Order: sequence, then structure tokens, then C-alpha cells
Amino acid sequence: DAGVIQSPRHEVTEMGQEVTLRCKPISGHDYLFWYRQTMMRGLELLIYFNNNVPIDDSGMPEDRFSAKMPNASFSTLKIQPSEPRDSAVYFCASSRSTDNYGYTFGSGTRLTVV
Amino acid sequence: GENVEQHPSTLSVQEGDSAVIKCTYSDSASNYFPWYKQELGKRPQLIIDIRSNVGEKKDQRIAVTLNKTAKHFSLHITETQPEDSAVYFCAASKGSNYQLIWGAGTKLIIKP
Repeated sequence: DAGVIQSPRHEVTEMGQEVTLRCKPISGHDYLFWYRQTMMRGLELLIYFNNNVPIDDSGMPEDRFSAKMPNASFSTLKIQPSEPRDSAVYFCASSRSTDNYGYTFGSGTRLTVV
Repeated sequence: GENVEQHPSTLSVQEGDSAVIKCTYSDSASNYFPWYKQELGKRPQLIIDIRSNVGEKKDQRIAVTLNKTAKHFSLHITETQPEDSAVYFCAASKGSNYQLIWGAGTKLIIKP
């Protein structure tokens, strides 16, 4: 199994530009989570999906952030327009409800907004 | 809502000594408590977890203990090695919605 795959690994963009982060969960996993990690705020849950349906998006900081999961093997997190304070590492994680609840994280996308 | 507090924020121990990281949770309905290790520049990885129906679980040099009455759980690492240097996160969940509530993390430094 290739694990949770995220792309790109690094993204540098200018303020105001649209940024799209991508995630492919582990096959058979029915939960998908988007996290943001910064030194100041630690790990923050942004949104999570169950069977492709968004369950809780209360962690999404602003309307500039949106997430979709069109099918069981793909999810996107979009920021439009991006701002310097969005700079962080964004992790995607997946899990299977019939397993022991453990999450598997992707390698993350390091986003820098200049 | 659930709150998880983790202490200490930084822990420095001599190689070969033991390290203990403690977490407390607020929601007595929480029943699943994982620990993740995050090395510098890498993803968090699950290293051990415990459920509320057991008090202790071991896996080689690491162990986790749970005190449901006091609502706290701890990670114990014995015979620490340089590769144990990392940030460790505890978390708690009620399991029903699979949302983990995270501690703030502990930076473990192993001194040679």
C-alpha cells in the first residue's frame, strides 16, 4: 500500500493566488481528515469526511477555505485567495472505521504564501 | 467540548534513561487514546494506543497507562535512544465520530 498520498510536497505562491492541495487516501479507508500544522497553533483539524460526505467543517478558518471529496479516492483543499498567514504544513489523514481508529497521515504539503 | 492537556512541552533526558509524558482529558466519555510521534519535517505516526477497557499496554520500549478515574494517560519510553528524539502528541476520542482531540505536543530531546 502506498499510504496516503499528498501533492504537491511544497508550494510557494503569491498572496492572492488560488492554491489547491490534493490528497489520495488509502484504498478502503472511509474517513478523511484535513489538518493544518503551525508552530503557534499546533495541529488543527480543518474538516473531515466520512464516505465522501463532509461531517464537520467547523475548523475551516474562513470562507477562503473550501474542501471537496468527489469520490472515495480523492480530496482537495482549496484556498482562494491565499494570504501569508495561511503558510503552514497541511496534512491529510485517512482511517477505516472497522479498524482500530488509528489515522495514517500523508507526508504533508508545506505551503508558503509570500 | 473535550480538551486534552499535555505536559511537559519539552523534555530532555540522558540517553538510556526513561521518559514520561503525561496527558489529561476532560470528557469522561472518551474511550480511545493514541500517541503519535513526529520527527522533524515528517508526518505524525501512530506509535501506540490504548482503549478505556485496559489500564496498560506495552510494545517493546514504549508503554501507555490509563487512569480513567483521574482522566489521565501517560507515555513511558524506557532505555531512550537518539532516534527517540521527536515531538510526541497525545490525543483522545469518543470513537463515535473518529475526531481526535490533540494535545499540544512534547518535544523530547535525548542527550548523548
